Amino acid sequence: NAGVTQTPKFRILKIGQSMTLQCTQDMNHNYMYWYRQDPGMGLKLIYYSVGAGITDKGEVPNGYNVSRSTTEDFPLRLELAAPSQTSVYFCASRGQSRAGANVLTFGAGSRLTVL
Amino acid sequence: AQSVTQPDIHITVSEGASLELRCNYSYGATPYLFWYVQSPGQGLQLLLKYFSGDTLVQGIKGFEAEFKRSQSSFNLRKPSVHWSDAAEYFCAVVVNTGGFKTIFGAGTRLFVKA
Repeated sequence: NAGVTQTPKFRILKIGQSMTLQCTQDMNHNYMYWYRQDPGMGLKLIYYSVGAGITDKGEVPNGYNVSRSTTEDFPLRLELAAPSQTSVYFCASRGQSRAGANVLTFGAGSRLTVL
Repeated sequence: AQSVTQPDIHITVSEGASLELRCNYSYGATPYLFWYVQSPGQGLQLLLKYFSGDTLVQGIKGFEAEFKRSQSSFNLRKPSVHWSDAAEYFCAVVVNTGGFKTIFGAGTRLFVKA
């Protein structure tokens, strides 16, 4: 059981470039989330999805886009990368059973540097 | 607005000493509260959670936390710290604002000295 898988683990981008961070989960979770983690700031929610075809903005969505065409995949796209998007990005999902309600399962993270 | 405050950015304790990490939340309804731990270069892992019932909850690795509604607090404790506990700890609250979302505190980094 792989859980939540993120790729790539590391990436360096030049200002203005675009890229997609991939996230896939094999737990049949409906809810998926993208967070960014900056030192001393905790985790900030970028976008989330409550199921295939449904996405919504979190606290810090500017400069990002998401899609959710399947239950398993929730890619995060960065358009026109900026230095302010240098961060560690985490994808997470959660189940709907009572025992697992609201407990997030995280991927290992993707460290992105924009130069 | 909903928020989570962890007042200590970092804490250093000696191995074998007791530990308490503080967490205060702001949320009008009954909270779902969590502690997660993050080891270097890893994602976050659930330590324990509080949904309802007994206000003292037990988690993995010998951790426990106590929910105090009157103080809006959910402090994490461990009676005897091990060197392997060195990590960053995040308190979190789940809020329902048109969908369940998890709000995290800024984290407390724990250093353990021999």
